Order: sequence, then structure tokens, then C-alpha cells
Amino acid sequence: SQTIHQWPATLVQPVGSPLSLECTVEGTSNPNLYWYRQAAGRGLQLLFYSVGIGQISSEVPQNLSASRPQDRQFILSSKKLLLSDSGFYLCAWVRARGSYEQYFGPGTRLTVT
Amino acid sequence: EDQVTQSPEALRLQEGESSSLNCSYTVSGLRGLFWYRQDPGKGPEFLFTLYSAGEEKEKERLKATLTKKESFLHITAPKPEDSATYLCAVIVGNQFYFGTGTSLTVIP
Repeated sequence: SQTIHQWPATLVQPVGSPLSLECTVEGTSNPNLYWYRQAAGRGLQLLFYSVGIGQISSEVPQNLSASRPQDRQFILSSKKLLLSDSGFYLCAWVRARGSYEQYFGPGTRLTVT
Repeated sequence: EDQVTQSPEALRLQEGESSSLNCSYTVSGLRGLFWYRQDPGKGPEFLFTLYSAGEEKEKERLKATLTKKESFLHITAPKPEDSATYLCAVIVGNQFYFGTGTSLTVIP
């Protein structure tokens, strides 16, 4: 069965500090991978998606970046965090071919202080 | 512009009181519509995929239906454990567009 992991679960970082969130998927190969941010009481905002190693599409220009160094690894980064980067970050995967069903990780709660 | 709108924003039901949640969409090139359940502090949990108008899916007390412009999530005789936020999303190309959700509270 497929499993998706995210870490850390919670993170408190000062403004201006760097960020690295990691997501890994087990039990599947060549998935499409996604990073979302969810602000309190709001829907999911798509940040980045990737259809393969090294292939990143950005939906929201901002101080965040993403990388996919391995087939089942997706990393979200920032060089300098802003207060507005606070939120609930979710990683998700979809089988590249098939039903388009999207499965989410447990999320990372980021608070920028 | 592609858009997904959910209503109502919040819904309070007595246990056993059936109701429906709405998801309307204005997208071109729809490849599927999805329903998710999200509990506080957790990632969304996949419920249903609907691909074409007229399609219906059921799971326990939940039933999802799809027309050309909207989808409904019908909840029959809900229980307190059905309390959660229900999200709908559509896929266009490789991108998913989410509504802001309906927060459902079922009162015992």
C-alpha cells in the first residue's frame, strides 16, 4: 500500500530564517507530487507540483521554492521566511496515470514569529 | 477563470437530520471532481471521484452526485462522527482547484 510522509509535524521559525519541509511517498513510482498551503479557515492553495524528477511547476510566485531530487521525494524550501508564510503545509501525490485520486500527507504546521 | 465554490460555509445538523452540501464549478476541460473529508489538524482524506455528469458514488452515509455545473454531497442520517470539513476539488490538466469547504457539525 502507498504511504506519504511529511516532516516535521510542527515548526516554529523566526522571520528571516530558512525553511526546509520534506515529503516522501512509499509504495508507488513516478507519482505526480504537490505542495499546498492552507491558511486558517481557508481552502487549499496550490504552491508547486511536479510530474517528474527535476520538473517543478510553480503556481504562486513568492519566496518559496520546491525541488524533486528523487522520484518519491519532494522538498519545499525558503531562504528567508516571512510572517505571511505561516500556515498548514500539505504534500500530496497522484498516480501519474490512472484515476487522478489525490492522497495527502499529515501536514506540517508552520508558525513564523 | 477556473473557480470552485462550496456552500454553505457551515452547517449544523441534529443527529439523523439528512442534508446536502453543494459544490459548483466553472472550469474548462474538467477531468474529474473530487470530495474530501478533513478533520482538524489533519490532511484531507479522499472520499470520491466523479468523472461525468450523472455519475453517483456512495460510501456509508455519504452519496456524491455530479451534474455539468455542480456536485452534491448528500449525507443521510448523519452521526456526530461525520462532523468535519468537506472539501471539493476539480482537476484541470495536472492542477487541482479546491473550494473553501463546508464545515459540518452534527449534534447528538
